[in-house]
Amino acid sequence: DAGVIQSPRHEVTEMGQEVTLRCKLISGHNSLFWYRQTMMRGLELLIYFNNNVPIDDSGMPEDRFSAKMPNASFSTLKIQPSEPRDSAVYFCASSQGHSNTEAFFGQGTRLTVV
Amino acid sequence: GENVEQHPSTLSVQEGDSAVIKCTYSDSASNYFPWYKQELGKRPQLIIDIRSNVGEKKDQRIAVTLNKTAKHFSLHITETQPEDSAVYFCAAKDGNSGGSNYKLTFGKGTLLTVNP
Repeated sequence: DAGVIQSPRHEVTEMGQEVTLRCKLISGHNSLFWYRQTMMRGLELLIYFNNNVPIDDSGMPEDRFSAKMPNASFSTLKIQPSEPRDSAVYFCASSQGHSNTEAFFGQGTRLTVV
Repeated sequence: GENVEQHPSTLSVQEGDSAVIKCTYSDSASNYFPWYKQELGKRPQLIIDIRSNVGEKKDQRIAVTLNKTAKHFSLHITETQPEDSAVYFCAAKDGNSGGSNYKLTFGKGTLLTVNP
């Protein structure tokens, strides 16, 4: 297995544009986490899914952010419209969903909104 | 929900010395405590984890201890080397809600610098 795969690796966009980040889970995993990492705030959990169902989205900053799992192996995080303060590294991670198993991180998407 | 506090935020040691990073958590239902290492520009990667049914776990130069009563856990790195320099994150996983709540909450991270 190639691990958790995120795309794109880097994204530079202008303020106001829509941005879509993509994540492919490790085969057999059923929990999916989206994190945002900045120097100021560290690793913030935005949302997590279990068996394709959003369990907790309390970390989603505002209505401009939305996340979906159209199937068991794929997820998207969309920002519309994007703002400069959204600039960060966005990680997704997946696990087998039990309470004591490792979460594997993707390579991350470095988003820059200018 | 779970709250994880991590200290110190930065730690500088001489090569060969030991390094200790401490974390506390708030949710007594948490039962899984991983530690991740993140090198500059890379993804966080698991280096060691501990489950609530044990008090200590060791893997070569790395050890983790857990005190469930006090709700704190620590990472110990012995004989530090320059390649240990990275940001280290502790985390706690909430295992309650009938097994449907698998939220992994991270501490703010510790920047460890090992000076040659």
